[in-house]
Amino acid sequence: DQQVKQNSPSLSVQEGRISILNCDYTNSMFDYFLWYKKYPAEGPTFLISISSIKDKNEDGRFTVFLNKSAKHLSLHIVPSQPGDSAVYFCAAFFGNEKLTFGTGTRLTIIP
Amino acid sequence: NAGVMQNPRHLVRRRGQEARLRCSPVKGHSHVYWYRQLPEEGLKFMVYLQKENIIDESGMPKERFSAEFPKEGPSILRIQQVVRGDSAAYFCASSPYATGDDQPQHFGDGTRLSIL
Repeated sequence: DQQVKQNSPSLSVQEGRISILNCDYTNSMFDYFLWYKKYPAEGPTFLISISSIKDKNEDGRFTVFLNKSAKHLSLHIVPSQPGDSAVYFCAAFFGNEKLTFGTGTRLTIIP
Repeated sequence: NAGVMQNPRHLVRRRGQEARLRCSPVKGHSHVYWYRQLPEEGLKFMVYLQKENIIDESGMPKERFSAEFPKEGPSILRIQQVVRGDSAAYFCASSPYATGDDQPQHFGDGTRLSIL
């Protein structure tokens, strides 16, 4: 039962343009959502999070949007840079619980 | 990766042997989580521990797998009688207290376990 889904396994974006990564979830109990970035042979690195009481959180080039009615969140990166090329994981949890991860989206920034 | 240290980085075992994976959390962090990533998949939760206590082991296989986080020393994930299907990357994460949006889990670089 995949409670957090990332339906796009890969995405290619030109440098300087906007990257939009999408994530859907099925468990309405989730109250926090996070995005992690992962390079090969390294562990995930926390990027940005959002509480279910908000619909937007911004940190520099990264913005996360949450649509609770649609059970959908997205990560916007603008402008995209070559160093943003990595696998991005969406994750969610509720209470003091463990993280539930999506399967990841491989983002490639084209110079 | 925010100070979570995992060793070894790579571990090769033959079928039937034991594998021990170690995780030293960020200094001051008392909550440790273990996740497993199979090829081309996301990370799957295995177990959540606080010092000397297992809080949630709902993601752990019922047999051959065990975890501990003693009062002193690193957290250990132990796999007995390994099989080929145990080949994966095992990640440890820590947080100072229970996960919150202002206290995300910090991950180590993982241990890549290969079973011959």
